[in-house]
Amino acid sequence: AQTVTQSQPEMSVQEAETVTLSCTYDTSESDYYLFWYKQPPSRQMILVIRQEAYKQQNATENRFSVNFQKAAKSFSLKISDSQLGDAAMYFCASRTSGSRLTFGEGTQLTVNP
Amino acid sequence: EPEVTQTPSHQVTQMGQEVILRCVPISNHLYFYWYRQILGQKVEFLVSFYNNEISEKSEIFDDQFSVERPDGSNFTLKIRSTKLEDSAMYFCASSGGSRSYNSPLHFGNGTRLTVT
Repeated sequence: AQTVTQSQPEMSVQEAETVTLSCTYDTSESDYYLFWYKQPPSRQMILVIRQEAYKQQNATENRFSVNFQKAAKSFSLKISDSQLGDAAMYFCASRTSGSRLTFGEGTQLTVNP
Repeated sequence: EPEVTQTPSHQVTQMGQEVILRCVPISNHLYFYWYRQILGQKVEFLVSFYNNEISEKSEIFDDQFSVERPDGSNFTLKIRSTKLEDSAMYFCASSGGSRSYNSPLHFGNGTRLTVT
């Protein structure tokens, strides 16, 4: 069974600053994928970034990057140069060879102007 | 960019009634999913569907629920005899690829179900 834990229910950041959202996971599988999804007030689920477990290099998508620590089962999201439009609920998720995507509890990010 | 579309965006129904939530997945995707999110809570997996049959379901997905792909494009979730606790946002998602976990899920905008 997979579990995903986000220990920060809420985070805030000043516009243009950097913020890191934490996520830990647990799985017995050796091959899996990790994801960060963004859910703005519209409640649509938007894929932000994904990481293959077998890749050591951390994934990067523009201002978004991850710090993947496989041994520690940690998968944090770093948002650089935060923008007002980044304000949303962020969900960490994992997926193994089964079809189920397992989500964490979410972190509500506020961006202050 | 192709999108997953869901209709209706908001459905209100009375307790005990049946509802059908509709989804049109991305056309070349092979795997289809339903998730739900009760207000203020995490997103929960309900069911996955591949090759015209359920591939995995959660403990939430009991006999009250069923899924169908009636015509090759739509993917529906039927909830029989709705209960107050079924009120939630229901998300449809699809993914492509031969190795299901290799492909990210693309989500629709959700259907907000309110049971009164």
